[in-house]
Amino acid sequence: DTGVSQNPRHKITKRGQNVTFRCDPISEHNRLYWYRQTLGQGPEFLTYFQNEAQLEKSRLLSDRFSAERPKGSFSTLEIQRTEQGDSAMYLCASSLEMDEQYFGPGTRLTVT
Amino acid sequence: GNSVTQMEGPVTLSEEAFLTINCTYTATGYPSLFWYVQYPGEGLQLLLKATKADDKGSNKGFEATYRKETTSFHLEKGSVQVSDSAVYFCALSRNQGGKLIFGQGTELSVKP
Repeated sequence: DTGVSQNPRHKITKRGQNVTFRCDPISEHNRLYWYRQTLGQGPEFLTYFQNEAQLEKSRLLSDRFSAERPKGSFSTLEIQRTEQGDSAMYLCASSLEMDEQYFGPGTRLTVT
Repeated sequence: GNSVTQMEGPVTLSEEAFLTINCTYTATGYPSLFWYVQYPGEGLQLLLKATKADDKGSNKGFEATYRKETTSFHLEKGSVQVSDSAVYFCALSRNQGGKLIFGQGTELSVKP
C-alpha cells in the first residue's frame, strides 16, 4: 500500500493557462475527494466521487473547474483559464466507503 | 450552515507542558468529529475521531471528548513533545457523502 499519490507536487503557471492535476488513490478505495487549501486556512471541500460517479460538487467549484474519475481509479482535476485566486494547495483523499479518509501530499499551484 | 471554529495559533509550549486546543462546531443533527494533524512537509493524517455524543477519541496520548451540550471537541495532551510540533485541524462530517468540513487549523510549536 503506497498511499495516495498526487502529481505534480508543484505547478507554476501563467494566468489564463489550463492546468491538470492527477490523483491516484489507495487501490481498493471506492471514494475519492478533492479539497483546496489556501495559506493559513483549513481544507475546503470541492467534489467527491464514488467509483466513477461524481456525486457532489461544492459551489466553490466554478465552471472553470472539472474533475473526472473515468474508470473509478485515478482522478484528474482540470482548471481552465487559471486566475491568481486559484493559487492554493489542491488535496486529494480516498476512503473505503465512509471510513477514514487518507490524504495525499497535495499539489501546490501558483498562478503568476 | 455547518462550520468549525478553532482557537487561533500559533501556540508555543515547552516540552512536557499540558496542551489544549479548543474546537467548537455548528451543525444540524449529529455530526462525526475529527482531529487531523499535518506534520511539516507531510500530508494530513487522522489523529482521532468520535462519532457520537460523550464519545472520547484518543491516540498517541491525545484525547478529545464529543460534548454535544457545548458543541465542542477540544484536543488535549498531558505532556507534549517536540515531535508534536505540527498544525492541528478540527473537522466534522455530516455523513452526507463523508465530506469533511475543517476549521482553520492551529499551529503548535513545542520547544525543548
